[in-house]
Amino acid sequence: AQSVTQLGSHVSVSEGALVLLRCNYSSSVPPYLFWYVQYPNQGLQLLLKYTTGATLVKGINGFEAEFKKSETSFHLTKPSAHMSDAAEYFCAVNGGSYIPTFGRGTSLIVHP
Amino acid sequence: DAGVTQSPTHLIKTRGQQVTLRCSPKSGHDTVSWYQQALGQGPQFIFQYYEEEERQRGNFPDRFSGHQFPNYSSELNVNALLLGDSALYLCASSLGRDNSPLHFGNGTRLTVT
Repeated sequence: AQSVTQLGSHVSVSEGALVLLRCNYSSSVPPYLFWYVQYPNQGLQLLLKYTTGATLVKGINGFEAEFKKSETSFHLTKPSAHMSDAAEYFCAVNGGSYIPTFGRGTSLIVHP
Repeated sequence: DAGVTQSPTHLIKTRGQQVTLRCSPKSGHDTVSWYQQALGQGPQFIFQYYEEEERQRGNFPDRFSGHQFPNYSSELNVNALLLGDSALYLCASSLGRDNSPLHFGNGTRLTVT
């Protein structure tokens, strides 16, 4: 069985501030983990993925995420928020079923 | 290189009617998955097609059915529409049976009145 919990349905930051979006997962086998971003009226776009190896994963648009097995977490961060980062962010886990399970999403709001 | 394309973009149907949504996968991809995304929710897995067969299915009733064609394109059919079927339907393609990332289309917005 696999599941994802995204803490906080909405996160609000000022432009230039640190972005931290939280994701905790549950998986009975070593997981593959993903972060996707969804802009209004669009599909989901892959930001980054963790498979094996290095636990700090760098993605597009300056985002990165760290896999922490002991905490079953895969939080997404960006050092400095930009107005264009405002979107819905989804964490997903694939625990061996080849079908990823998505979290409910976190809406990132960026204030000028 | 064309990405995943879905048609139509918007659709309005009446309760009890039937609907067909279409998807063309990203070039080179052979696997198509369908997701339902209700407003304010994450995508929920409906089913996945590979080699023209339904490979896995999520927790959706038999009213939801699909098909994959030899060119890897796919259709999602929903019969006896309910108000609760109103959602964004996303098609995602990938390559083979592994953990390769999904490439999503922009979805079809279905409204059932």
